[in-house]
Amino acid sequence: AQSVAQPEDQVNVAEGNPLTVKCTYSVSGNPYLFWYVQYPNRGLQFLLKYITGDNLVKGSYGFEAEFNKSQTSFHLKKPSALVSDSALYFCAVLPYSGAGSYQLTFGKGTKLSVIP
Amino acid sequence: NAGVTQTPKFQVLKTGQSMTLQCAQDMNHEYMSWYRQDPGMGLRLIHYSVGAGITDQGEVPNGYNVSRSTTEDFPLRLLSAAPSQTSVYFCASSYSPGQGSGNTIYFGEGSWLTVV
Repeated sequence: AQSVAQPEDQVNVAEGNPLTVKCTYSVSGNPYLFWYVQYPNRGLQFLLKYITGDNLVKGSYGFEAEFNKSQTSFHLKKPSALVSDSALYFCAVLPYSGAGSYQLTFGKGTKLSVIP
Repeated sequence: NAGVTQTPKFQVLKTGQSMTLQCAQDMNHEYMSWYRQDPGMGLRLIHYSVGAGITDQGEVPNGYNVSRSTTEDFPLRLLSAAPSQTSVYFCASSYSPGQGSGNTIYFGEGSWLTVV
């Protein structure tokens, strides 16, 4: 079965500094990888995904993520954090094929706080 | 285009009562699913459907029932509510995410359920 680990429950960063939210995954075969963001009392908004090709994926609101197959990681990054980026971030994995390919599996989430 | 619509937004139930959480999408998506979100546990898949008349269990199906009679609707039924079912429930949909498609899964705004 697939799994996702987000090793940091909370990340604090100063406004204007670069931010990184970490994610590692475990899956049989090739993965599809996703990042979602959740603002308080709201649903999940899609940020970006890795399917195939270029290991650096660019998404919404200036976020990007780098797929590293050897380290089984998919860290979320942004060059300059904004206070409005403060939210809960989820990494998720979907296997390329097999029964699990219909089951999006999430990490436990990382709370990002951007300090003015 | 309303996307994924969930009702009700908030509900309080007594132990043993039954209720149905409604989910509708207007994007002609074959795939629909229900997740529950609990603090520190991320999102966990309850049930999913890959088309009308087809449903399957996810990670935490016990205590929940689903059916898919139309492409648009995927209701989640709690037959006899328990305090352990106090959670935030999210419905999601996409074009089929499985078998190599990598299609993005989109989420509703959530339903907050409290069982007392």
